[in-house]
Amino acid sequence: DGGITQSPKYLFRKEGQNVTLSCEQNLNHDAMYWYRQDPGQGLRLIYYSQIVNDFQKGDIAEGYSVSREKKESFPLTVTSAQKNPTAFYLCASSIRTGSSYEQYFGPGTRLTVT
Amino acid sequence: QQQVKQSPQSLIVQKGGIPIINCAYENTAFDYFPWYQQFPGKGPALLIAIRPDVSEKKEGRFTISFNKSAKQFSLHIMDSQPGDSATYFCAASIQGAQKLVFGQGTRLTINP
Repeated sequence: DGGITQSPKYLFRKEGQNVTLSCEQNLNHDAMYWYRQDPGQGLRLIYYSQIVNDFQKGDIAEGYSVSREKKESFPLTVTSAQKNPTAFYLCASSIRTGSSYEQYFGPGTRLTVT
Repeated sequence: QQQVKQSPQSLIVQKGGIPIINCAYENTAFDYFPWYQQFPGKGPALLIAIRPDVSEKKEGRFTISFNKSAKQFSLHIMDSQPGDSATYFCAASIQGAQKLVFGQGTRLTINP
């Protein structure tokens, strides 16, 4: 059963703690992405990775870090430096179709920091 | 120039009606325009996509219309059903680019 898995679905943390969100894909996609979604808002790109051991900052990378040690995995760490970490976090991966890249999303992790 | 402007922000339609969601862009280098459907608490799902060499694409009850000269594209949902109630996002990307630029989303409600 191919797809993108994110765990856990809900995550609660105290302010000041770092937290790592998991994203795994078995679609053999090269590129992976992390987005943040706030209530009633669109999708904002945090980081993306085109290949293993390489990643680029998106529009809102401050307070976040990532790693890409394996093609299948792209974990996101929300650090204590992120001022408003409570949000819905979405992982995605993409495959090249012609000249474009089709992106597919995971089910998301809702992070609440109090 | 990298923005995609989506309207309306919210839309309420009666069952069987045809909701229309519009997106406009400025960057003429965009050449891939997907639409995503997102239900509450779920990740967005790729619904349908179009490239600028065609003016219309249909998949089931969903149709994308594309106007290259006006730099606009829209999503139409035929015979809309309450189960179509969701947030819809348009997006765009440049040829060969792995990043998508997303619109702000439209919250669609189909009343029974």
